[in-house]
Amino acid sequence: AQKVTQAQTEISVVEKEDVTLDCVYETRDTTYYLFWYKQPPSGELVFLIRRNSFDEQNEISGRYSWNFQKSTSSFNFTITASQVVDSAVYFCALAGGTSYGKLTFGQGTILTVHP
Amino acid sequence: EAGVAQSPRYKIIEKRQSVAFWCNPISGHATLYWYQQILGQGPKLLIQFQNNGVVDDSQLPKDRFSAERLKGVDSTLKIQPAKLEDSAVYLCASSLGGDEKLFFGSGTQLSVL
Repeated sequence: AQKVTQAQTEISVVEKEDVTLDCVYETRDTTYYLFWYKQPPSGELVFLIRRNSFDEQNEISGRYSWNFQKSTSSFNFTITASQVVDSAVYFCALAGGTSYGKLTFGQGTILTVHP
Repeated sequence: EAGVAQSPRYKIIEKRQSVAFWCNPISGHATLYWYQQILGQGPKLLIQFQNNGVVDDSQLPKDRFSAERLKGVDSTLKIQPAKLEDSAVYLCASSLGGDEKLFFGSGTQLSVL
């Protein structure tokens, strides 16, 4: 069985602060994919980043960066210089095997960025 | 490019009534998913279609939920009869194939009273 845990239920920061969202996962699959999605008040889940289990190289994409550590089964996500528009619910998700679509989501972290 | 369209946006029904949700995926997307998102939780996959065939419906409560994707395009998810615990947002997503990025609709928020 797969499981994704986001320990932080809510995070509140002031604009321009950096914020890191934590994610820990469990899977027996040797090949899997990890994702971060953003859900603004409109309700639509927006894809942010994807990583496969064979690539532990951490990257930066604009204000987003992620830290994938297979040894600790963690896939943390950082927003640098947060903005009010970043306020949303953020979900970490896991897809085992070769299908991106069968996602197991975490509980979500509500991020509020204050001006 | 048009996104995934869902209707209605909101639905309120009483328990034991029936309800149906509609999804129009992005043009050309062969794979379609229905997810259920209960308040305060992450979405949970209900069913996956590849064209008009079911790939995975292992988490669909088949005693009351049904889904179809006629002609491999639009899809309908039905609940009959609804229970209080069915109150949730029902999200539709589509992708080009099973290994492509998912695009989600805005969902249908169902309240069962």
